[in-house]
Amino acid sequence: GAGVSQTPSNKVTEKGKYVELRCDPISGHTALYWYRQSLGQGPEFLIYFQGTGAADDSGLPNDRFFAVRPEGSVSTLKIQRTERGDSAVYLCASSQGQENTEAFFGQGTRLTVV
Amino acid sequence: GESVGLHLPTLSVQEGDNSIINCAYSNSASDYFIWYKQESGKGPQFIIDIRSNMDKRQGQRVTVLLNKTVKHLSLQIAATQPGDSAVYFCAEKVRERGATNKLIFGTGTLLAVQP
Repeated sequence: GAGVSQTPSNKVTEKGKYVELRCDPISGHTALYWYRQSLGQGPEFLIYFQGTGAADDSGLPNDRFFAVRPEGSVSTLKIQRTERGDSAVYLCASSQGQENTEAFFGQGTRLTVV
Repeated sequence: GESVGLHLPTLSVQEGDNSIINCAYSNSASDYFIWYKQESGKGPQFIIDIRSNMDKRQGQRVTVLLNKTVKHLSLQIAATQPGDSAVYFCAEKVRERGATNKLIFGTGTLLAVQP
């Protein structure tokens, strides 16, 4: 597709379960970002990939959160032992990776932990 | 249009008026800034960007102004339309430990356009 694609669009899970959120970036974009957005707040940075490697993971809140991008394209955000406080919209964005280039966002995955 | 600071979350304007949305950024070393528009249930949509070597940039009906002295950014929307109703975020690219494209977002301003 032409834009950033995120699946699923909605995910409801029980507290304590494991979830995976997928992001398909724009073809050819080397940089990929994960953000988390709570209601009424701006997106909060989680992690940034340049190619296959995590260039900056300083935003991951704790070790229950992990993200991979094994082939430098699709990325998966993994959350273990989910908690109700993890409920939010998880946004993925990609850019060409050059300095000072715009990042394009997907529609997000709405995660609800019950 | 009424100008507001980032601490005021809502800006209400009449259709056809000009809107000004303000943003104070945090890091004097930030060298790239973007304004995003976010409609309900959608991801942020790029509007316009500006680099720190500029103080003004114009797009279609939008203008971004950058004042590095006071670390202030504004988005001006001319002839505001109902379709402009959304939450607007400013984002800064923070340069730390060499080249990084991490974008830090502000809190956002809800723009409500009255017909």
